[in-house]
Amino acid sequence: LAKTTQPISMDSYEGQEVNITCSHNNIATNDYITWYQQFPSQGPRFIIQGYKTKVTNEVASLFIPADRKSSTLSLPRVSLSDTAVYYCLLRRRALTFGSGTRLQVQP
Amino acid sequence: GAVVSQHPSWVICKSGTSVKIECRSLDFQATTMFWYRQFPKQSLMLMATSNEGSKATYEQGVEKDKFLINHASLTLSTLTVTSAHPEDSSFYICSAGGQGHSDTQYFGPGTRLTVL
Repeated sequence: LAKTTQPISMDSYEGQEVNITCSHNNIATNDYITWYQQFPSQGPRFIIQGYKTKVTNEVASLFIPADRKSSTLSLPRVSLSDTAVYYCLLRRRALTFGSGTRLQVQP
Repeated sequence: GAVVSQHPSWVICKSGTSVKIECRSLDFQATTMFWYRQFPKQSLMLMATSNEGSKATYEQGVEKDKFLINHASLTLSTLTVTSAHPEDSSFYICSAGGQGHSDTQYFGPGTRLTVL
């Protein structure tokens, strides 16, 4: 089972940088690390994916150390609309969702 | 990114009736689609893998005779909840994407099923 562990919840304020760390000790050689965002009553939305080192796109950065047993999603300057649940998953044929991290952004 | 649609977005039905949910990949072909279920305040649970032209693969504990899956084309998979009961009320979400380890899975917007 592609198990990941991440904090249940986090709180932040608008304009701050948020870093969510995920642990995946049993990552396999072929696994990519994928992050999704989900708002209530909506399907998950793809944020970013990486294999090693650092990946950056227009919404986030993903940091992966050399041993790949963990990863950190970095959201720069969050806003109220970033309040959501964030899931870290290992990309395999089917995605196994953990509990995710509930991020609450306050004004 | 790629677009996956679902229809209907919500449905209310009486206990004992059957409900069909469609999942379409709008701008790409998907030989494999996945169906998930999500109860309130919980994470997504994989129900089954839908394979184009062949039988679906169900996760342990998911009744294949109750949740019928048909993947008749490369862009459409359907999930039929047969003889629905109130405990089947949930948020059903499908996903589709590439087959490789790096290929992104894209999710549909979900279908809210309420069984009275």
